[in-house]
Amino acid sequence: GQNIDQPTEMTATEGAIVQINCTYQTSGFNGLFWYQQHAGEAPTFLSYNVLDGLEEKGRFSSFLSRSKGYSYLLLKELQMKDSASYLCAVMDSNYQLIWGAGTKLIIKP
Amino acid sequence: GAVVSQHPSWVICKSGTSVKIECRSLDFQATTMFWYRQFPKQSLMLMATSNEGSKATYEQGVEKDKFLINHASLTLSTLTVTSAHPEDSSFYICSARPLAGESETQYFGPGTRLLVL
Repeated sequence: GQNIDQPTEMTATEGAIVQINCTYQTSGFNGLFWYQQHAGEAPTFLSYNVLDGLEEKGRFSSFLSRSKGYSYLLLKELQMKDSASYLCAVMDSNYQLIWGAGTKLIIKP
Repeated sequence: GAVVSQHPSWVICKSGTSVKIECRSLDFQATTMFWYRQFPKQSLMLMATSNEGSKATYEQGVEKDKFLINHASLTLSTLTVTSAHPEDSSFYICSARPLAGESETQYFGPGTRLLVL
């Protein structure tokens, strides 16, 4: 079966760095996405990785290793507004998104 | 760019009525639009995939006669919840993927909260 694993909840301190891991097992691979979802709102797109390596976009970076079925989202200089759920999703061979359950990130002052 | 709108954002209706939700890609054309449902504290659940001009593909367990999807143009898809019941109360979110070759990214609408009394 297809499976996306990510931690349920993480806590970090304002100004610090946090890494949210995602491992996946899917039938085929056409890219991995990270989305941010604030409570009560729809997800917003953060990043897309289809090749191995690190993609940096401001305070957020996303890494992918296809051979290991592994990705992480790195958030630097954490701000209170970064408190949200972070969803990892993999596009399979049918171009369908397989969603992880999301990681709830709690930022403390 | 890549803005998706949904209307309405909130719906409260009586049991047995039908509710139509619109999803529009405002600044791009979308060959494919997706409809998701999200219950509180749960992950997104894909309901159906719709391609412009063709019938929607429904996920297992989703009743196609209850959740009618129309994708009449490259910028508009509609979801109609027919004969809604309280268990249909949920957060319905659409997403749109730009024309093939441009991006595999899905862009999400703001969602529609449905409460069936």
